Amino acid sequence: QQPVQSPQAVILREGEDAVINCSSSKALYSVHWYRQKHGEAPVFLMILLKGGEQKGHDKISASFNEKKQQSSLYLTASQLSYSGTYFCGTDDTTSGTYKYIFGTGTRLKVLA
Amino acid sequence: EAQVTQNPRYLITVTGKKLTVTCSQNMNHEYMSWYRQDPGLGLRQIYYSMNVEVTDKGDVPEGYKVSRKEKRNFPLILESPSPNQTSLYFCASSARGGVLRNEQFFGPGTRLTVL
Repeated sequence: QQPVQSPQAVILREGEDAVINCSSSKALYSVHWYRQKHGEAPVFLMILLKGGEQKGHDKISASFNEKKQQSSLYLTASQLSYSGTYFCGTDDTTSGTYKYIFGTGTRLKVLA
Repeated sequence: EAQVTQNPRYLITVTGKKLTVTCSQNMNHEYMSWYRQDPGLGLRQIYYSMNVEVTDKGDVPEGYKVSRKEKRNFPLILESPSPNQTSLYFCASSARGGVLRNEQFFGPGTRLTVL
């Protein structure tokens, strides 16, 4: 079962903030965030390893609540370059394998 | 330059004609993976490899084969392609897999059309 992301899509004006949520029905050991621009490959943004941990990358930060099996990505003062599709991802540690699963994705468009 | 390369980038083929998509990484990564990306379905893992000669199924392995004879290469084989395998394919690698995983590096993608 893929982690579910919300919202599915969001449109912002430059300078506005956004939050993207990632919710899993399975226990999470870690969460990774990727961004994929149109026509390109996904690019890694950050890893969150501990419950409650927050990390930042420029004006993009994320939190991870392992008890709630959720992670959120925060985009502050959005820029045109933030447009793309954001995916959370995690190792499927409950299956006894080394599978990796991506979330359902969130399309973000930033307008000038 | 650290990178993952895939070839070909674009391929149009016909049903039943065997094809191979190559993937190579120059970072000495242990974990390699193939994903397919379809509209509305996101990225789904086809197969992965934890190291040389160690491969396992992802979530959508039907109709695909892989091999890992060398650490750097992880080809994806479609022995008898069908139209439902028309998709965008990405190869990716990371230093490790499982709970010690760090970032995955993706190849540029291969757009496959099966007629």
